[in-house]
Amino acid sequence: DAGVIQSPRHEVTEMGQEVTLRCKPISGHNSLFWYRQTMMRGLELLIYFNNNVPIDDSGMPEDRFSAKMPNASFSTLKIQPSEPRDSAVYFCASSGLGSGTNTGELFFGEGSRLTVL
Amino acid sequence: SQKIEQNSEALNIQEGKTATLTCNYTNYSPAYLQWYRQDPGRGPVFLLLIRENEKEKRKERLKVTFDTTLKQSLFHITASQPADSATYLCALDMGPGNQFYFGTGTSLTVIP
Repeated sequence: DAGVIQSPRHEVTEMGQEVTLRCKPISGHNSLFWYRQTMMRGLELLIYFNNNVPIDDSGMPEDRFSAKMPNASFSTLKIQPSEPRDSAVYFCASSGLGSGTNTGELFFGEGSRLTVL
Repeated sequence: SQKIEQNSEALNIQEGKTATLTCNYTNYSPAYLQWYRQDPGRGPVFLLLIRENEKEKRKERLKVTFDTTLKQSLFHITASQPADSATYLCALDMGPGNQFYFGTGTSLTVIP
């Protein structure tokens, strides 16, 4: 298995532009998480999907952030409009939690490093 | 609101010694606690999970304890090696849907 795949790995954009980050979870996993990591705040949970349905989006910072999971193999995190304070590494993680076969281990992608100028 | 604290931002130890990292939490009673390793520029990688009814879990040179009374977990690396140098993160399931929240991490450097 290729693991969790995220794209792009690096994104540099200007303030006000729309940013879309993409994630392909591990096949068979039914839970997907988006995290944001900064030096100041560490790893923050943004949103959690289970069976493609958003369960908890209380960590989404503002209305500028939105996430979708149209099917079991794809999710997007969109920021519109982007601001310099959104600069961070965004991680996607998947888990087989709830499938009765696992211990809740999260498998992370390599992250998307976003820089908003 | 829930809060997860790890003992220090950075820990330096001599090769061969035991590294001990601390994870403290407040305002919740998690069913699971996990430890992850993160190398620079990479995503976190799962190491161990311990359940609330378990006191201790071991895996090779790693040992994790979980004290639900103190609301604390200790993570030990015995016979530490320079290759153990990384940031270590604890994570707790603190939501009704098994959302995992992470501590800020401890950067460990093992000095040869």
